[in-house]
Amino acid sequence: RKEVEQDPGPFNVPEGATVAFNCTYSNSASQSFFWYRQDCRKEPKLLMSVYSSGNEDGRFTAQLNRASQYISLLIRDSKLSDSATYLCAVGPSTDSWGKFQFGAGTQVVVTP
Amino acid sequence: SQTIHQWPATLVQPVGSPLSLECTVEGTSNPNLYWYRQAAGRGLQLLFYSVGIGQISSEVPQNLSASRPQDRQFILSSKKLLLSDSGFYLCAWSPTPTETQYFGPGTRLLVL
Repeated sequence: RKEVEQDPGPFNVPEGATVAFNCTYSNSASQSFFWYRQDCRKEPKLLMSVYSSGNEDGRFTAQLNRASQYISLLIRDSKLSDSATYLCAVGPSTDSWGKFQFGAGTQVVVTP
Repeated sequence: SQTIHQWPATLVQPVGSPLSLECTVEGTSNPNLYWYRQAAGRGLQLLFYSVGIGQISSEVPQNLSASRPQDRQFILSSKKLLLSDSGFYLCAWSPTPTETQYFGPGTRLLVL
């Protein structure tokens, strides 16, 4: 089993719609969680950190479910510019210092 | 503010040739530094990480090596490239081992 798993998609989303997807992780001792956005042939860029209580940044909402070991990202009112691959990142536990685990990404395609 | 640089941006090398990729970080001191490889359509594979000068941890046995000759400089090397070394090489830094990682623009390497 992979340490971090994501549905590769693509999620085809009409402009203005809402899309949500999850990322599951295996290390229950992980302490930090993040969502990154990666455009084609570019480096990943931090979208948002994921906090235990859940957090919002504009149209983006991230949630953490420790019991079921997954994080989620919801995008409201999707824009064409939201088309990208979204990578989840799971930070290390104390016995795996420095070792972030990244998912392979979920591709989102927003259509007019 | 902090910035991270990588060069070259693209590289085409013959099988068996040497490799040297450089990464430098500005605007911070004692960063944690990381080298990742991303194969086409795949996730990020951690290759090396460093918590300080001369301190390198290797994650994947292979024909690559890393060095950190200065606090904010991280170099990825190979004596003889293989076809399987082709990919998108990303350098990243973080303030601590558990905090957000920030990526450089990457080097796209094609081994022929």
